[in-house]
Amino acid sequence: EAQVTQNPRYLITVTGKKLTVTCSQNMNHEYMSWYRQDPGLGLRQIYYSMNVEVTDKGDVPEGYKVSRKEKRNFPLILESPSPNQTSLYFCASSWGSMNTEAFFGQGTRLTVV
Amino acid sequence: ILNVEQSPQSLHVQEGDSTNFTCSFPSSNFYALHWYRWETAKSPEALFVMTLNGDEKKKGRISATLNTKEGYSYLYIKGSQPEDSATYLCAFPIYNQGGKLIFGQGTELSVKP
Repeated sequence: EAQVTQNPRYLITVTGKKLTVTCSQNMNHEYMSWYRQDPGLGLRQIYYSMNVEVTDKGDVPEGYKVSRKEKRNFPLILESPSPNQTSLYFCASSWGSMNTEAFFGQGTRLTVV
Repeated sequence: ILNVEQSPQSLHVQEGDSTNFTCSFPSSNFYALHWYRWETAKSPEALFVMTLNGDEKKKGRISATLNTKEGYSYLYIKGSQPEDSATYLCAFPIYNQGGKLIFGQGTELSVKP
């Protein structure tokens, strides 16, 4: 089954404690992306990757890091989480062309206290 | 700054009502428009990817139209059912950024039995 898998689904952490949210896709997609969803603001792109070892900032990259060492995996790293990073996070993958749909992971609800 | 606007923000209808909502997007540099359906506690799933002016797409009781010259798309749901309750997102892909999507804030639809 074609899918994007994120882990964990829920995470409560404390300010400053490094964390990683994993994302893996099994569709051989070249393009992967991270979004955060905040009330009233819609989905906003954090980082994206157009292929292995190719990553770039999205609209809200501050406080986040990513890596793309393998095609299927695109982890999101918060080196020193802060409360303003409390949000719902989605990983997405696609073929990268504008007329093909994106596939989303199940979401990670992160709370930073 | 590219802006994708959706209206209304929320909609409450009775079972059996037909409903529609709007997505407005930049009419210049148009390549495609995506519609996604996002149910609570699930991941967004693609409904339609529309590319041609005048395009009309249908999936069951849900259909969408596209006007690229004036920069809007309508999503229609005929005879709403409680299982149609979800947030409906439209997204505008950005040329030459590997499929980056600019999302509207969504229309939250609630269908009461």
